[in-house]
Amino acid sequence: QVQLVQSAAEVKKPGASVKVSCKASGYTFTSYGFSWVRQAPGHGLEWMGWINTYNGNTNYAQKFQGRVTMITDTSTTTAYMELRSLRSDDTAVYYCARDPNYFDYWGQGTLVTVSS
Amino acid sequence: QSVLTQPPSVSGAPGQRVTISCTGSSSNFGAGYDVHWYQQLPGKVPKLLIYSDNNRPSGVPDRFSGSKSGTSASLAITGLQAEDEADYYCQSYDSSLSGRVFGGGTKLTVL
Repeated sequence: QVQLVQSAAEVKKPGASVKVSCKASGYTFTSYGFSWVRQAPGHGLEWMGWINTYNGNTNYAQKFQGRVTMITDTSTTTAYMELRSLRSDDTAVYYCARDPNYFDYWGQGTLVTVSS
Repeated sequence: QSVLTQPPSVSGAPGQRVTISCTGSSSNFGAGYDVHWYQQLPGKVPKLLIYSDNNRPSGVPDRFSGSKSGTSASLAITGLQAEDEADYYCQSYDSSLSGRVFGGGTKLTVL
């Protein structure tokens, strides 16, 4: 069965960086891309970007360009999302999702809290 | 301001039929891109409900159905149940933004 298991919650100070991991299992990793989606407390879903697990190509939402990096490690079937220059409004639950043009499987979410 | 516009809330009594609209534009639905719908129960991870306009993943009851016409899409839920109380999101691709986009979400209350 398809499973996406994300890393544990993080607390960061403003200006720091965070790197969230997403370990995939139960399917051929390079057959599907990944998207990262975040949800601030009490708010809706926000798409951050997508990575092609086969060739590493990325497509970042304009809002995050220059501040986000998505990579994958095919040897460990793990996707990573790094967000830099964190601000208080980056406090959110970050989800990875398998992406065959829609989000059919989701990780359990990683809460990132940005606070001084 | 979301690229896809949804009503903030809808409600219905048990057993009734409700619809949730999702209004797009010529750069998403009007350009032929599919709509997908997600259900997020309180405190839970979003779940794929409808993909590619009107397809249900395995395990999703046929009480849920999707449609799209022109620059608008809708999700219909028939035989409303208390367990359907959740937030619902539409999602597509937008060619102007060159990326995936979500609607702002609709909170469904079962009266």
